[in-house]
Amino acid sequence: RKEVEQDPGPFNVPEGATVAFNCTYSNSASQSFFWYRQDCRKEPKLLMSVYSSGNEDGRFTAQLNRASQYISLLIRDSKLSDSATYLCVVNDQAGTALIFGKGTTLSVSS
Amino acid sequence: EADIYQTPRYLVIGTGKKITLECSQTMGHDKMYWYQQDPGMELHLIHYSYGVNSTEKGDLSSESTVSRIRTEHFPLTLESARPSHTSQYLCASSESGGGAEAFFGQGTRLTVV
Repeated sequence: RKEVEQDPGPFNVPEGATVAFNCTYSNSASQSFFWYRQDCRKEPKLLMSVYSSGNEDGRFTAQLNRASQYISLLIRDSKLSDSATYLCVVNDQAGTALIFGKGTTLSVSS
Repeated sequence: EADIYQTPRYLVIGTGKKITLECSQTMGHDKMYWYQQDPGMELHLIHYSYGVNSTEKGDLSSESTVSRIRTEHFPLTLESARPSHTSQYLCASSESGGGAEAFFGQGTRLTVV
């Protein structure tokens, strides 16, 4: 079983749509959770950390369910500029390095 | 902008050559990482370091080696490049805390012909 699993998509949505990405992780001892964004042929950049109580940053909301080992990212009012690959990231078994999911590709069209 | 730099950005080299990919950061981060990513595919951790003189192998077996003699510098070396090494190599660094953000360099696109 892969450590971090994501639906690869692609998700093709119109501007203004709400889209949700899901991620599951295998290491129940994981303590750190993130969503990164990677544009085509660019390096990944942090979108937001994910906290146990859930957190929101503008149009983006992240949720964590430790019991189900499940992380989600909700994007409201999608913009063209949101088109990218969204990477779910969890710390590894030893808690020392970050393990990336394969990513979910989002394409927002006008 | 993150203060982490990789050189070269692009490298095309012949089979059998020895290559070193450079990575430097000026943020004073203890942790540094090397990831390998093929086009459209996921990032695979190949090496990481907790600090000076500390290196560990990641979850993806790699024929490359790394060294960490200085905090700011984490070079990756391939003793004998092969076409199977063709990929993008991404270097990252973070503070020591478990919830710390990782900052990435712009990557080195390696092509072995």
